[in-house]
Amino acid sequence: NAGVTQTPKFQVLKTGQSMTLQCAQDMNHEYMSWYRQDPGMGLRLIHYSVGAGITDQGEVPNGYNVSRSTTEDFPLRLLSAAPSQTSVYFCASSNRLTGELFFGEGSRLTVL
Amino acid sequence: AQSVTQLDSHVSVSEGTPVLLRCNYSSSYSPSLFWYVQHPNKGLQLLLKYTSAATLVKGINGFEAEFKKSETSFHLTKPSAHMSDAAEYFCVVPSNFGNEKLTFGTGTRLTIIP
Repeated sequence: NAGVTQTPKFQVLKTGQSMTLQCAQDMNHEYMSWYRQDPGMGLRLIHYSVGAGITDQGEVPNGYNVSRSTTEDFPLRLLSAAPSQTSVYFCASSNRLTGELFFGEGSRLTVL
Repeated sequence: AQSVTQLDSHVSVSEGTPVLLRCNYSSSYSPSLFWYVQHPNKGLQLLLKYTSAATLVKGINGFEAEFKKSETSFHLTKPSAHMSDAAEYFCVVPSNFGNEKLTFGTGTRLTIIP
């Protein structure tokens, strides 16, 4: 009964370092997405995917890359971390019919 | 473009009293609308969803919301607050017809006073 699994839960980076946030879902959902949550701003869409091999930009894509080689996995890459990317990141998946998002428990990233 | 406005960033109610969390939406067509709840240090969970089948939507944990097209509102209510309702609540609208891009409101933090 895993649902959406994100790793790591916590990460501290120095400015300029790179890292990948991992996201996996076991519900065979077509849609997967990454959001960032900042105080007073709700959740903002970074990138999303409507199926394997297909990705698109959301509201705040700059500084982030994604790929979707399988239905299950949707990693988020920070190529050169900046303090403005300090945030809590959520991965979510959903199916086409219901639109209900299933969220991971979040990854708290601090960039010094 | 679709958008939502949550009118209160913070609501405090006493245990056992009614809860009202307000959300107005802006849309060029009749949208789907969602309410999600986030308990401390957790991911978000769907509370309820409106899809035009019925204007009064019942969700989990005794919450419900009424879609009012004339007022462009989708307020969340509960008759009697419980301590476990303390959380952050988000009103959400799809950004396009496919539901894969969602626009979140800025959230309302609900505090329950014992």
